[in-house]
Amino acid sequence: NAGVTQTPKFRVLKTGQSMTLLCAQDMNHEYMYWYRQDPGMGLRLIHYSVGEGTTAKGEVPDGYNVSRLKKQNFLLGLESAAPSQTSVYFCASNRDYEQYFGPGTRLTVT
Amino acid sequence: QKEVEQDPGPLSVPEGAIVSLNCTYSNSAFQYFMWYRQYSRKGPELLMYTYSSGNKEDGRFTAQVDKSSKYISLFIRDSQPSDSATYLCAMTLIQGAQKLVFGQGTRLTINP
Repeated sequence: NAGVTQTPKFRVLKTGQSMTLLCAQDMNHEYMYWYRQDPGMGLRLIHYSVGEGTTAKGEVPDGYNVSRLKKQNFLLGLESAAPSQTSVYFCASNRDYEQYFGPGTRLTVT
Repeated sequence: QKEVEQDPGPLSVPEGAIVSLNCTYSNSAFQYFMWYRQYSRKGPELLMYTYSSGNKEDGRFTAQVDKSSKYISLFIRDSQPSDSATYLCAMTLIQGAQKLVFGQGTRLTINP
């Protein structure tokens, strides 16, 4: 039982490049979330999903898109990366108010 | 004003001390209150959560919720160097997508 996994662990992008972050969970959870964590800001919700095929915007959705084609996977896309998107990205899945986090992806945009 | 306020610290205490970590919040509709521990360069891990007001104890950790004051606390007894981490409070509504609203996190160091 791997829990929540994230790919890749690290990435450096140039401004304007695109990339997709992959989150996978093996706990059969319906709810999944993407957060970003910046110094002094805590965790802020980017997008979330309450089930396969559904997505919704969180607190800071601009510049990001998501897809949930399969229940176990939640993808976060950056179409045109900007330096302001330099951050640590965490994925989480949730059941009965217990939210489990992945190890994070450290993204630097130069 | 942020919906959840948490003193970022840093907080440094000697081993064996009792640690008190606190958060205040503004949304009276929050019903579930969580504490997460995050080690450096790791993902947050759920320590404990409480529904509505009251206390909950788990080993050396005690969580308290005072909804009348919109104030939650985490107490760590007999603190150990392995407790050194960032502690994040979070809370959510009883209905909906169970979206968490986090405090900024308090960085705690326990000195041997």
